[in-house]
Amino acid sequence: AQSVAQPEDQVNVAEGNPLTVKCTYSVSGNPYLFWYVQYPNRGLQFLLKYITGDNLVKGSYGFEAEFNKSQTSFHLKKPSALVSDSALYFCAVRDRIKAAGNKLTFGGGTRVLVKP
Amino acid sequence: DAGVTQSPTHLIKTRGQQVTLRCSPKSGHDTVSWYQQALGQGPQFIFQYYEEEERQRGNFPDRFSGHQFPNYSSELNVNALLLGDSALYLCASSPGTGGGEQYFGPGTRLTVT
Repeated sequence: AQSVAQPEDQVNVAEGNPLTVKCTYSVSGNPYLFWYVQYPNRGLQFLLKYITGDNLVKGSYGFEAEFNKSQTSFHLKKPSALVSDSALYFCAVRDRIKAAGNKLTFGGGTRVLVKP
Repeated sequence: DAGVTQSPTHLIKTRGQQVTLRCSPKSGHDTVSWYQQALGQGPQFIFQYYEEEERQRGNFPDRFSGHQFPNYSSELNVNALLLGDSALYLCASSPGTGGGEQYFGPGTRLTVT
């Protein structure tokens, strides 16, 4: 079974400061890892993914994430947060095993509040 | 290029009724997945359709069923609605079942009273 943990329900950060949203995962095989963002009354918007290769993945809107296999983590980061980054962030995992199909398992989400 | 579209946007139903939600995938995508997002929680996988067949299913009862049409659009049907079925239902599409990201629609907000 695969699972995702996002240990922080909410992260508060001042505009211009670095932003980190934590994510750890558990899968039986090697993972595909994803970050999505959700704005109020909207669907999920893709930010970035780790498939293979470089452990540091760069995505949309200045976000990046670092895959750490030994710590089974995939933390989302942004060097300088904007007020418009305030939203709900979800980490998701998918097992590479073909039998796992395309199913994404999501964490519970972390609300980010960026204050001016 | 239209993204994933879902209809209706909002829906209010009574316990015991049946509901059908609709999804049109992003152009070029042939795989559709459905997720349920309860308030304050992450999305939960319901099932996935590819080549008009249910390929994978999450831990949801048989009251939840679906269909995929030749044009890749999909329907989610829920019978005998319970109060606990109140949630945001999200449709996601992708090109095949490989490692690519899934693109999500805006969702249908279902309220069961």
